[in-house]
Amino acid sequence: DGGITQSPKYLFRKEGQNVTLSCEQNLNHDAMYWYRQDPGQGLRLIYYSQIVNDFQKGDIAEGYSVSREKKESFPLTVTSAQKNPTAFYLCASSIAQGYEQYFGPGTRLTVT
Amino acid sequence: DQQVKQNSPSLSVQEGRISILNCDYTNSMFDYFLWYKKYPAEGPTFLISISSIKDKNEDGRFTVFLNKSAKHLSLHIVPSQPGDSAVYFCAARGAQKLVFGQGTRLTINP
Repeated sequence: DGGITQSPKYLFRKEGQNVTLSCEQNLNHDAMYWYRQDPGQGLRLIYYSQIVNDFQKGDIAEGYSVSREKKESFPLTVTSAQKNPTAFYLCASSIAQGYEQYFGPGTRLTVT
Repeated sequence: DQQVKQNSPSLSVQEGRISILNCDYTNSMFDYFLWYKKYPAEGPTFLISISSIKDKNEDGRFTVFLNKSAKHLSLHIVPSQPGDSAVYFCAARGAQKLVFGQGTRLTINP
């Protein structure tokens, strides 16, 4: 069963703590992406990676960091520097950059 | 700078009728357009796409129309079914990245 998994589905953290969101895909896709969705807004690109050991900032990268040490994994760290971290986070992958993206189920992060 | 806009936040349609979702864009360099469907607390799923060299693409109940001169695309769903109730995002490809609209919440009423 090929797909993208994100864990956990719900995550709660105290303000000031860093938190890492997991994203794994077994689709053998080269490109992976992280988006953030807020109510009434579209999907905003945080970071993307075209290939292992390479990643680029998206439109709203401040306060976030990523790594791409393996083709199938693209974890996102929400740091304490992110001013409004509470949101729904979506991971996606595609065979290559610019092609149809397949999304994971998302992680809802709540920071209090 | 919102390059892809879905100006209707919500749309309500009676079951069996046609649903028309609209999307406008500003960047004439976009070469590929996609529609995604999203249920609450789930990731979006790819629905249908169209290349900028075409003006229509059809897949079952779903048809996407592209009007390049107006920089406008639309998604037609006919007949609409209760399971079509979801948020629909249009997306456009430019510089190898996808740019998403804000989404339109479609509600199909029995």
